[in-house]
This record gives sequence, C-alpha cells and structure tokens, in this order.
Amino acid sequence: DAGITQSPRHKVTETGTPVTLRCHQTENHRYMYWYRQDPGHGLRLIHYSYGVKDTDKGEVSDGYSVSRSKTEDFLLTLESATSSQTSVYFCAISATAENTEAFFGQGTRLTVV
Amino acid sequence: DAKTTQPPSMDCAEGRAANLPCNHSTISGNEYVYWYRQIHSQGPQYIIHGLKNNETNEMASLIITEDRKSSTLILPHATLRDTAVYYCIVHSYNAGNMLTFGGGTRLMVKP
Repeated sequence: DAGITQSPRHKVTETGTPVTLRCHQTENHRYMYWYRQDPGHGLRLIHYSYGVKDTDKGEVSDGYSVSRSKTEDFLLTLESATSSQTSVYFCAISATAENTEAFFGQGTRLTVV
Repeated sequence: DAKTTQPPSMDCAEGRAANLPCNHSTISGNEYVYWYRQIHSQGPQYIIHGLKNNETNEMASLIITEDRKSSTLILPHATLRDTAVYYCIVHSYNAGNMLTFGGGTRLMVKP
C-alpha cells in the first residue's frame, strides 16, 4: 500500500472553530489532493498541489485553505468550521499528472456540531 | 474531462464474472479511461486504466470499444470482497491530474 497517512482519523469540533487536517506521504509523489465525500455527491475535489508551495483550487474550495511547505505534507484548514463541512475527507497522491494511478488515504471523518 | 454514465447498481453471483459497463461518448483522443473502486467507507482504490487498447492486470480487465465511446471493466471471478462502488473516470492531462468522480456503480456480489 502507498504510504499515505491522514490525521486525525476522526474529529468532532464546534461551529466557528478552526480545524486542520493533515496528509502525510512517504512516496515522494509530486501531486497531492484533498477530496470530500458526502452522500449524494460522491467525491469532490477541494484543493490540490502540484509541488511545494504550489496549490490550486478544486471544485468546492470555498471555506478551505491548504498549505504545502514540504513534499510530504499537505494540510487542509477550515478557518471557521460550519455544519456544512461535516464530511469525510480523503487525501490522495500521484507521481505524475497523467497516465498514472492516484493513491488515496483512509479518510478523516469530520463532524461539526 | 468527458462525462461518464454508469448503471447505479448491479448484482453478480460469487465466482462468476462481473462485467461493469461505462459510457463515455464524448471522450476525446487524449483522454484515458480509469477505473477505481471504493469498498465501504475506505479510500478509493485504483484498479486499471487504458487509452485505446484492452488492458489486463492482476485485478481486472478493461475492454475499450474501437470508437472509445464505451468500456467494460471485467472482474473475472468475483468474490464477496469485490462488493464495492466502482467508478469509471475519463480524463486527460491537465494541471494536477484531477480525477472527477461520478456516481459509480454499486456492485453487490452475492453468495
């Protein structure tokens, strides 16, 4: 299995508090992604990174920010959590931009109350 | 990226071949066909991908029609552990290799 670790795996937080999710990889892959998965919506891309300090927005980026200061770590921050951000968050990595597979982490279940 | 159409659900008997169809009639010449699956609440798992030719690996076979407008994922001998949601995705190179997931097909393998 690809070396991807998401932390925490489960978190309950209150509305309005900041939350940071961490994705750590040991594969030295260039590309990293954050997705969220909700019933009825499937997986949707939040943000992605194509290198250290290089990030861009995905389909559902409002309310989220990311940072990548090292190849191995990609952080997803909810500046002020809302109930609509209750979801399962998946991190993924890939070595190149085409003709290659992406590897997904085990997910972080976030509940905002 | 081209849009895909998959049946929402399928059943398969254990030990039989599972054939999962996918339509991608608007696929362009530089777009690959990828298949992933998601077992229960785990992260999606890569299965196979191809461009024009049929592909086979230890998990499955991918059959792409000559006009590339549809494809079929074949699990040759389905087991109960193959029960999952299967996603067919087509995409080309762009910044970030972003995968766009649709609804997928929920495959139920029954004893």
